[in-house]
Amino acid sequence: QVTLKESGPALVRPSQTLTLTCTLSGLSPDINKLRVSWLRQTPGKALEWLARIDWDDDKFYSTSLKTRLTISKDTSKNQVILTMTDMDPVDTGTYFCARHGVAGATGGNWFDPWGQGVLVTVS
Amino acid sequence: DFVLTQSPDSLAMSLGERATINCKSSQTVFNGLDNKNYLAWYQQKLGQPPKLLIYWASTRASGVPDRITGSGSGTDFTLTINTLQAEDVAVYYCQQHFSTPYTFGQGTKLEIK
Repeated sequence: QVTLKESGPALVRPSQTLTLTCTLSGLSPDINKLRVSWLRQTPGKALEWLARIDWDDDKFYSTSLKTRLTISKDTSKNQVILTMTDMDPVDTGTYFCARHGVAGATGGNWFDPWGQGVLVTVS
Repeated sequence: DFVLTQSPDSLAMSLGERATINCKSSQTVFNGLDNKNYLAWYQQKLGQPPKLLIYWASTRASGVPDRITGSGSGTDFTLTINTLQAEDVAVYYCQQHFSTPYTFGQGTKLEIK
């Protein structure tokens, strides 16, 4: 049973860089199929996908935010890290990490499970 | 990018009734290579993260009761919740998992009358 837990600052100042960490536990032996995404939920845009990293280090980013985002991983710690530069009050919201789903031997791009999320306020 | 539009934005039903939520995609999410529709549904209760209900348009996630069903193909999809229970009060989202950037509908709020 995989679980994910987000950590990071609750408050960041405008123009600062946000760094969030997602720690995974209970990983299955199929770690080479693991994909993890960061998503957020803001008052203005509901649910928004931000970035994805695969365990072979392929990376994918939101079209509108890719210039501000960097996703990386620390395999030794089972962590996925997201940085977002030039934070603005409109970036205020809850940030989630989520594992991509697996159906039998097939990996998918739905999200299951999600972490509880971390609320980030930009002010 | 795929744009997903849900309807209605909110609905209020009585216990025991059937609720229907629609999701329309701006582009097909059908993959002819595997004959699957790449659409998922989530339930989000107040103060909780979203919970996966359905993937590949109609496959229930583990533990999801069979009174919750997904249907549709191509660009038009439906989430049906039969025999509404108080625990179904939530916001429901569709998501296309066809390609990046993955996108979500705006959400449908389900309340009990």
